[in-house]
Amino acid sequence: KAGVTQTPRYLIKTRGQQVTLSCSPISGHRSVSWYQQTPGQGLQFLFEYFSETQRNKGNFPGRFSGRQFSNSRSEMNVSTLELGDSALYLCASSLVLGGSEQFFGPGTRLTVL
Amino acid sequence: DQQVKQNSPSLSVQEGRISILNCDYTNSMFDYFLWYKKYPAEGPTFLISISSIKDKNEDGRFTVFLNKSAKHLSLHIVPSQPGDSAVYFCAASAGNQFYFGTGTSLTVIP
Repeated sequence: KAGVTQTPRYLIKTRGQQVTLSCSPISGHRSVSWYQQTPGQGLQFLFEYFSETQRNKGNFPGRFSGRQFSNSRSEMNVSTLELGDSALYLCASSLVLGGSEQFFGPGTRLTVL
Repeated sequence: DQQVKQNSPSLSVQEGRISILNCDYTNSMFDYFLWYKKYPAEGPTFLISISSIKDKNEDGRFTVFLNKSAKHLSLHIVPSQPGDSAVYFCAASAGNQFYFGTGTSLTVIP
């Protein structure tokens, strides 16, 4: 069974631009969560999608948004990029909403210049 | 505000000895706790979990201990192996949202 895939793996943008990251969950998994990982803050929860609806949201500004498609694939968008948005963005899939066992993708390394 | 804290950013242990990784939390509503291991350039992988109704869960070389009164969680690895060298994250949940610590980088010295 293929694991969670994320594209692209690396991305360089400049301040003010916007970016879209993609995540394909494990086949059959309906929940996709997004996390931001930075050295000082660890893994911080962004949001979780289940059945094409955002079910949970962390404490991030509205510049961070996402969506989920009918095939459970998810995209995350960050608008008006700031230097502080440079981070590793991880998505995780699980079978059910709030599933205790999450399977993570390799992440997208975003660098904002 | 960091609800889950891992106060040791790094830990070095000799091969064959015990590795103890610690985690503290502040939210008494957390009822499920997990440990993840992360290698460079890979996403975290689930290692072991424990429910708040238990105080210990064991899986092979890995044991997680939960002290609810102290709001403290620890992961014991015995015996430690060089392949255990990775960053370990603890996580806690109350409902559907997971809160992660900042990670502890474990180095097992051959």
